[in-house]
Amino acid sequence: AQTVTQSQPEMSVQEAETVTLSCTYDTSESDYYLFWYKQPPSRQMILVIRQEAYKQQNATENRFSVNFQKAAKSFSLKISDSQLGDAAMYFCAYRINFGNEKLTFGTGTRLTIIP
Amino acid sequence: EAQVTQNPRYLITVTGKKLTVTCSQNMNHEYMSWYRQDPGLGLRQIYYSMNVEVTDKGDVPEGYKVSRKEKRNFPLILESPSPNQTSLYFCASSTDRGSTDTQYFGPGTRLTVL
Repeated sequence: AQTVTQSQPEMSVQEAETVTLSCTYDTSESDYYLFWYKQPPSRQMILVIRQEAYKQQNATENRFSVNFQKAAKSFSLKISDSQLGDAAMYFCAYRINFGNEKLTFGTGTRLTIIP
Repeated sequence: EAQVTQNPRYLITVTGKKLTVTCSQNMNHEYMSWYRQDPGLGLRQIYYSMNVEVTDKGDVPEGYKVSRKEKRNFPLILESPSPNQTSLYFCASSTDRGSTDTQYFGPGTRLTVL
């Protein structure tokens, strides 16, 4: 079974600094997607960034980028120039590309931004 | 506006009283799914549906039922709720499987079973 592990329950970063959230996963599949979701206090699940496993190039979305290491099954999220609005719970998630498209989530990392 | 809606957003009920949480999407998506979120466990899939009249169990289906009679709607039914079903519930939808499209989440339903 696929598993996703986020080993940092909580992280904090000074405003305007850079922070990296860690995620590892376990799978025997070769065709899959990885995601980072943000959950602010409103509890809405917001997609931050996604990565297709067949792409070697790391995905970027403005201040958010990933370091995708397929062989190591690692998928970390880097947030640059941290802003107060980045404070949230961040979930790493995995999804295969066929059959049940369920998202398998990690347990989350709570990110605090220090003004 | 493309969206997934859930109702109610908040619900407090008592053990054994049947309830239904509705989910509706306006994007003509084939795939719909229900998740529950519990502290320290992340989100876990309850049930999913690949299309109308096609549903199947996810990872934690016990105590839940679903139906998919129309493409846009995917209600979650708790026939006899118990306190261990107190949780935050999310409905999600996406288009054809195998596409790069991601899943759109509803706003969540906070359920408390006393």
